[in-house]
Amino acid sequence: EIVLTQSPATLSVSPGEGASLSCRASQGVHTNFAWYQQKPGQSPRLLIYGASVRATGVPARFGGSGSETEFTLTIDTLQSEDSAVYYCQQYDIWPWTFGQGTKVEIK
Amino acid sequence: VQIVQSGAELRKPGASLRISCKTSGYTFSSSSMHWVRQAPGQRLEWMGWINHVNGNIKYSEKFLGRITITRDTSANTTYMDLTALTSADTAMYYCAKQGAQWLAYLDSWGQGTLVTVSS
Repeated sequence: EIVLTQSPATLSVSPGEGASLSCRASQGVHTNFAWYQQKPGQSPRLLIYGASVRATGVPARFGGSGSETEFTLTIDTLQSEDSAVYYCQQYDIWPWTFGQGTKVEIK
Repeated sequence: VQIVQSGAELRKPGASLRISCKTSGYTFSSSSMHWVRQAPGQRLEWMGWINHVNGNIKYSEKFLGRITITRDTSANTTYMDLTALTSADTAMYYCAKQGAQWLAYLDSWGQGTLVTVSS
């Protein structure tokens, strides 16, 4: 199965700053790739699919890029409500898999 | 879109459970429903999914022999049965709707069902 490795494990950022989260796939997945946000006590929420397409209702400060094995989620101008764990996911090869998550903390 | 799961469950080792996932706000038969679980402190883990368009079902190899996904189209409800439970099955279980017919990203999630397996 495809292993997704996210980095860093934790990111501490001040409000108004930007953040860049990385996810590396153990083999190429084209752009069959998504990002999710999960806040404590909540279900995951789809942010990005197709590697770079924002889901409905997702603020423009969230952006995705990459293909095959290297993917990035960028968050411009972080706000307090962006504090969460972010997961990457590939849906190119079954079984679909998730990364282990990056926790974004707001200073 | 609304996805409502059944409530928390407490089971003893060796027991079985069924979780239901009732949907509304979209055409049930036009999409697929996936089951994903999250053990404490662990990453999200795919268990299986059912294609409501053609009825095809696929399970993760890890759960083969223990998992069964079924549906009641008249009730817009999907079910996930898991047998031979162990403490390792203690987790939050989610059902989630597939976002596009041939692309398995998940655009709507249920609220989760907490399953605790303990003697």
